[in-house]
Amino acid sequence: GIQVEQSPPDLILQEGANSTLRCNFSDSVNNLQWFHQNPWGQLINLFYIPSGTKQNGRLSATTVATERYSLLYISSSQTTDSGVYFCAVERADYKLSFGAGTTVTVRA
Amino acid sequence: EPEVTQTPSHQVTQMGQEVILRCVPISNHLYFYWYRQILGQKVEFLVSFYNNEISEKSEIFDDQFSVERPDGSNFTLKIRSTKLEDSAMYFCASSALAGPYEQYFGPGTRLTVT
Repeated sequence: GIQVEQSPPDLILQEGANSTLRCNFSDSVNNLQWFHQNPWGQLINLFYIPSGTKQNGRLSATTVATERYSLLYISSSQTTDSGVYFCAVERADYKLSFGAGTTVTVRA
Repeated sequence: EPEVTQTPSHQVTQMGQEVILRCVPISNHLYFYWYRQILGQKVEFLVSFYNNEISEKSEIFDDQFSVERPDGSNFTLKIRSTKLEDSAMYFCASSALAGPYEQYFGPGTRLTVT
């Protein structure tokens, strides 16, 4: 199956800092989504971004499908940004394959 | 904004008991999914469902598991005889069409098997 690798595995930020999370995948994909898992375990949809660039407030994402990677940018981080960020991809086989996640801790 | 809902939010059961996890997908969606996440691990696909039948299932989805859409709104996951290793967060998701369309996830049901 397709391999999804996220880096870094852990990230500690001071409030107000910017950061970049990376997702590499091993094959061409038709769907790529970014999620934030909050401390209660809920998966929050951040972006549906099989290609191109999107922005939503302080978050933005870019997927370069031809080079098989996606980046998630967090700007002016806040403590509420803490949690695990997952990248997930789909190869038109009706299932998302998730990466292992990046655990982000934002300190006040 | 429409959302996927799941009940219960937390279920505790004894080993060997049957459990049914319930989901209400977004109303105009046609594809439904179950995923699970064992504590501290990544989210894993279990099964996808379309037109009242399974489209795809993983190796995890063995004979102990079944899915059903008993009416026009609910989508259920049944585990016939729970094991300790079934303890996990179970997520339901739905999409308007099959890939590459966005999947919308519910808040999850935390299943604890004792």
